[in-house]
Amino acid sequence: AQKVTQTQTSISVVEKTTVTMDCVYETRDSSYFLFWYKQTASGEIVFLIRQDSYKKENATVGHYSLNFQKPKSSIGLIITATQIEDSAVYFCAMREDNTNTGKLTFGDGTVLTVKP
Amino acid sequence: EAGVTQSPRYAVLQEGQAVSFWCDPISGHDTLYWYQQPRDQGPQLLVYFRDEAVIDNSQLPSDRFSAVRPKGTNSTLKIQSAKQGDTATYLCASSSGGGNYAEQFFGPGTRLTVL
Repeated sequence: AQKVTQTQTSISVVEKTTVTMDCVYETRDSSYFLFWYKQTASGEIVFLIRQDSYKKENATVGHYSLNFQKPKSSIGLIITATQIEDSAVYFCAMREDNTNTGKLTFGDGTVLTVKP
Repeated sequence: EAGVTQSPRYAVLQEGQAVSFWCDPISGHDTLYWYQQPRDQGPQLLVYFRDEAVIDNSQLPSDRFSAVRPKGTNSTLKIQSAKQGDTATYLCASSSGGGNYAEQFFGPGTRLTVL
């Protein structure tokens, strides 16, 4: 069964710096999809960025980028030039390709606090 | 375009009471998901539909939980006899197509507390 683990419970950084959040996953499937979502204080969950396992190039969207290390089953999220508004809970999630069901398995999240 | 809407936003029950959660997905989205998110954990899939059909309800506690989507649009998740362990946020998400490339859009959730 697939599993997603986020070992960092919380991180605190000063604004305008760079932060990296870790995520490791387990899957038996050779093809899969990895996602990062952000959950704000209001509870809203927003999709940020995805990485398809067959792509070697790390995905980048705005000030979010990924560090995909397939041999280590690792997908880190990097946020550059952090802003106060980036304070939220960040979830890593995985979707296996073999079922084409769209089912997501989430990690337990990392709380990011960005301080002035 | 309106996002996924859910109601109520909050619910507080005594053990043994019943509660229903309602979800209105984004217009045109054929796939609808219900997740349970316990405090300090990630969302966990309970059930999902494509149109009105249940595709996977293997994680739904069938003895007390039920979910329907009769016309393939709105959906209702019901807990018959709530337990303290059901305390969580219940999230609804929808997508256009349920395949691997379909982005899921989440609603604001219903925060349930069972006393």
